[in-house]
Amino acid sequence: EDQVTQSPEALRLQEGESSSLNCSYTVSGLRGLFWYRQDPGKGPEFLFTLYSAGEEKEKERLKATLTKKESFLHITAPKPEDSATYLCAVQAGAGNMLTFGGGTRLMVKP
Amino acid sequence: GAGVSQSPSNKVTEKGKDVELRCDPISGHTALYWYRQSLGQGLEFLIYFQGNSAPDKSGLPSDRFSAERTGGSVSTLTIQRTQQEDSAVYLCASSLPGGGREQFFGPGTRLTVL
Repeated sequence: EDQVTQSPEALRLQEGESSSLNCSYTVSGLRGLFWYRQDPGKGPEFLFTLYSAGEEKEKERLKATLTKKESFLHITAPKPEDSATYLCAVQAGAGNMLTFGGGTRLMVKP
Repeated sequence: GAGVSQSPSNKVTEKGKDVELRCDPISGHTALYWYRQSLGQGLEFLIYFQGNSAPDKSGLPSDRFSAERTGGSVSTLTIQRTQQEDSAVYLCASSLPGGGREQFFGPGTRLTVL
């Protein structure tokens, strides 16, 4: 059974204080690892897809990396508008559905 | 362009009633997914449609849940004889066909069963 674990559950940062969110996964036949951002009362917003170990993708202050066992979402010099829940999900095996982790709730204080 | 739309945005119902939730995917997206997000369980897969293939129903929690997709576009998720534990946000997503494709989510329907 595919398993995805995110840590920490919650993270408080001061504006400008860089940090990383972790997503550990156990799957058979990874087809893609996805990062989403979710704001309260809204659906998840797609950020990145990573397909193989060693791959990295960047968007503004966010950078996602992937190893064979985990993925990191690095946030550089965060701003209050980066506050949201960040979700990690995997697609594996024969199915196309996503298996999600529990999310990391990020709060950035000005 | 237009994203995934869902209706209603909120639904309050009484225990035992049936409810229907609607999803309009992004035009051209042949894959459509339903997920459920609740406080205790996180985001869980329910059902997946791809083109004219038989749907993958492996995530449906009970036979009270069913879904259909008409004309390869709009989908309806039906919950019969609703229970309080069905209260959750129901999210629809769509994607292009094939593995590794990003799924784009709608805003969700918040279902409250009294």
